[in-house]
Amino acid sequence: KAGVTQTPRYLIKTRGQQVTLSCSPISGHRSVSWYQQTPGQGLQFLFEYFSETQRNKGNFPGRFSGRQFSNSRSEMNVSTLELGDSALYLCASSRLGGGTDTQYFGPGTRLTVL
Amino acid sequence: GQQLNQSPQSMFIQEGEDVSMNCTSSSIFNTWLWYKQDPGEGPVLLIALYKAGELTSNGRLTAQFGITRKDSFLNISASIPSDVGIYFCAGQGGATNKLIFGTGTLLAVQP
Repeated sequence: KAGVTQTPRYLIKTRGQQVTLSCSPISGHRSVSWYQQTPGQGLQFLFEYFSETQRNKGNFPGRFSGRQFSNSRSEMNVSTLELGDSALYLCASSRLGGGTDTQYFGPGTRLTVL
Repeated sequence: GQQLNQSPQSMFIQEGEDVSMNCTSSSIFNTWLWYKQDPGEGPVLLIALYKAGELTSNGRLTAQFGITRKDSFLNISASIPSDVGIYFCAGQGGATNKLIFGTGTLLAVQP
């Protein structure tokens, strides 16, 4: 069974631009969560999508948004990029989400904002 | 953002030594997870714990879910060079699958 895939793996943008990252979950998984990883803040939860609906959200500004498609693939968008948005963005999928459903991570997208 | 207290921050050991790391929280969790992350990659699940007091092994790895549900530890026995990486604990609670991660433990193993 293929794992979680994320595209692109690396991205360089400049301040003020916007970016869209993509995540394809493990086949059969319907929940997709996004995390931001930085040296200073560690791994922080962004949001979770299930059945095309945002089910849970972390403490990030509205510039960070996402969506999920009917095939469970998810995209994350960051508008008006700031230098501090440079990070590894990780996507994780699980079958149904919920409190005991194990999450499996993709390799991440390394975003650099110049 | 919220992070769990994980210690030690880093460990430099000789091949063959045993390793122990732990994670504590001020909140109760229903699930504790341990992940390993290699440079440039996403975290890989090592062990998942679902019950307070549960002790689970995965090869040379052993982890326990604390009785208070506020802590967990991970032991690695007879370390080998490929154990090098960053180890993260993560707590999962309530009805959501939002993970709260620890600050990470960097493990270096000298052959």
